[in-house]
Amino acid sequence: QVQLVESGGGMVQPGRSLRLSCAASGLTFRKYGMHWVRQAPGKGLEWVTFIRHDDSNKYYDDSVKGRFTVSRDNSKNMVFLQIDSLRAEDSAVYYCARDRDDHYFDYWGQGALVTVSS
Amino acid sequence: QSALTQPASVSGSPGQSIVISCTGTSSDLGDYKYVSWYQQHPGKAPKLIIYDVSNRPSGVSDRFSGSKSGNTASLTISGLQAEDEANYYCFSYTTTNTRLFGGGTKLTVL
Repeated sequence: QVQLVESGGGMVQPGRSLRLSCAASGLTFRKYGMHWVRQAPGKGLEWVTFIRHDDSNKYYDDSVKGRFTVSRDNSKNMVFLQIDSLRAEDSAVYYCARDRDDHYFDYWGQGALVTVSS
Repeated sequence: QSALTQPASVSGSPGQSIVISCTGTSSDLGDYKYVSWYQQHPGKAPKLIIYDVSNRPSGVSDRFSGSKSGNTASLTISGLQAEDEANYYCFSYTTTNTRLFGGGTKLTVL
């Protein structure tokens, strides 16, 4: 069965960088686009970024453009999210999710908690 | 881009039906048949319950149904059960190739 497992979360000081990883199994990873979605404590879901299956295109929400970078390694079945210049408002659970047909998610990871605090 | 608009909360008694609306604009929800809905229980990852406006993934109860008219999509849950109590989010593709969630609706089963 499809499994997505995020890692790399933790407590980080403002202004520092962090890289989240998402390891995929149970699927032909190179065939699927991948998204990152975040959820601040007690808040709703927020779409962050999408990377196509072949790395040909990447899309970002305006709120993270310039500080967040999505990448993938199809040889290792992994997708990454690099977050630079971390801010308090980046504190959230970050989920990776598998894309279907460019416009919905059918599998989600369990999430990785990022806390930005001095 | 602003989130799609959902009511903050809805409630219903067991056995009843409820409808959750999701309103967007012609730049997102109105322009595409790509609305999906997700159910999220506290502390859990979201779960897909409706895709492409009205399609149910395998394993999702037929008590869940979706529709869309113009810039507004709707999720209907019939025969409410205690386990349906959760947060529900709509989601749409946009004309700028980004994606957008609704603000979320908390469903309380009385």
